[in-house]
Amino acid sequence: AQKITQTQPGMFVQEKEAVTLDCTYDTSDQSYGLFWYKQPSSGEMIFLIYQGSYDEQNATEGRYSLNFQKARKSANLVISASQLGDSAMYFCAMREGYDKIIFGKGTRLHILP
Amino acid sequence: DTAVSQTPKYLVTQMGNDKSIKCEQNLGHDTMYWYKQDSKKFLKIMFSYNNKELIINETVPNRFSPKSPDKAHLNLHINSLELGDSAVYFCASSLWTGANYGYTFGSGTRLTVV
Repeated sequence: AQKITQTQPGMFVQEKEAVTLDCTYDTSDQSYGLFWYKQPSSGEMIFLIYQGSYDEQNATEGRYSLNFQKARKSANLVISASQLGDSAMYFCAMREGYDKIIFGKGTRLHILP
Repeated sequence: DTAVSQTPKYLVTQMGNDKSIKCEQNLGHDTMYWYKQDSKKFLKIMFSYNNKELIINETVPNRFSPKSPDKAHLNLHINSLELGDSAVYFCASSLWTGANYGYTFGSGTRLTVV
């Protein structure tokens, strides 16, 4: 069963608009961590933001925020004021158990000038 | 100074050959990982080592053998390469298992088997 679901394979957004990338997850653990990574066309994996399951506040890192809705098992990434350099693949991920992080299939975001 | 470095960046080889990918991290992290990213961009964990000890060994063919000579290095050796092994292989590290922050990834090794 898929543990991390990203339902948007691709998105096109006008520059300077806000973007929400969807992510739902499935776990029976009480303690878990949620992550977002960015992969630009150059291929490297860039860590963006982290949310712990016990964190009451939504995580924010600059223009990135994570809209964490625990009851819905949802961890959407919000990018405010999108820029051309935000065009990339975005992966939602979850720490499973103690040892590993599992990834969703990704959303390809295109920012239009 | 690169935090997690992988070599080579590109590797083109023929079916049946044996090849190795090297990974080194200078972050002082205890845990290192190998991930495979397929042509559809799906990332799947292969192995993890904590302080030179194998922690995770996913259902990976035994043609793949990781080796960790010390906690700063994790190499991946692949025997009898097959076409389906073509992918991008990422090395990553984290401070310790269960750490609640992201991995630091290397820049990836694009392996093409012809």
